[in-house]
Amino acid sequence: GESVGLHLPTLSVQEGDNSIINCAYSNSASDYFIWYKQESGKGPQFIIDIRSNMDKRQGQRVTVLLNKTVKHLSLQIAATQPGDSAVYFCAENDAGNMLTFGGGTRLMVKP
Amino acid sequence: DTEVTQTPKHLVMGMTNKKSLKCEQHMGHRAMYWYKQKAKKPPELMFVYSYEKLSINESVPSRFSPECPNSSLLNLHLHALQPEDSALYLCASSQYWQGQETQYFGPGTRLLVL
Repeated sequence: GESVGLHLPTLSVQEGDNSIINCAYSNSASDYFIWYKQESGKGPQFIIDIRSNMDKRQGQRVTVLLNKTVKHLSLQIAATQPGDSAVYFCAENDAGNMLTFGGGTRLMVKP
Repeated sequence: DTEVTQTPKHLVMGMTNKKSLKCEQHMGHRAMYWYKQKAKKPPELMFVYSYEKLSINESVPSRFSPECPNSSLLNLHLHALQPEDSALYLCASSQYWQGQETQYFGPGTRLLVL
């Protein structure tokens, strides 16, 4: 998701449902992608990464999908919990290890 | 352990003050970074240190002065800041600067310039 002005895109889901957060990246030379979770008042926390030679990677309750053809990245969270409420940033990394962050998406989990 | 620590957590300073932000990691990482983050925005890169040498300065004003005393420590010296410099300052580290290396972030220092 990309931010527009001062408003973060927001995804609101019911506890227990699955969440999908999307991200479009711009640099076709990017070969490494990371999802970070940032809770209020804290620094970004690494969640999962994927290299450009893969199109899917799974972690604990999280899956990242990479579509290089359309330069699209998504983060799927299974059985979303209240503790998953945060802002999620995708980041793309070119070979020089310069991270370019997406605008962020706020995930709100309703109990 | 993927911990990056930062002190202080919060800092309020006047425009004539001099203060320093500190960052520490004990993961043996050889690349360290300073980012600035404004509310509702993603982090913006300020500086990159690789093997204790400044490798990237993203056109940051000279009132911000980074320093890397050793491979575990990174400082950011602040002098004559402006109110618009108020932000969350994040430190990060990675094993190396070049290549597909994950950057791990600290909790940040929330800075308010009056």
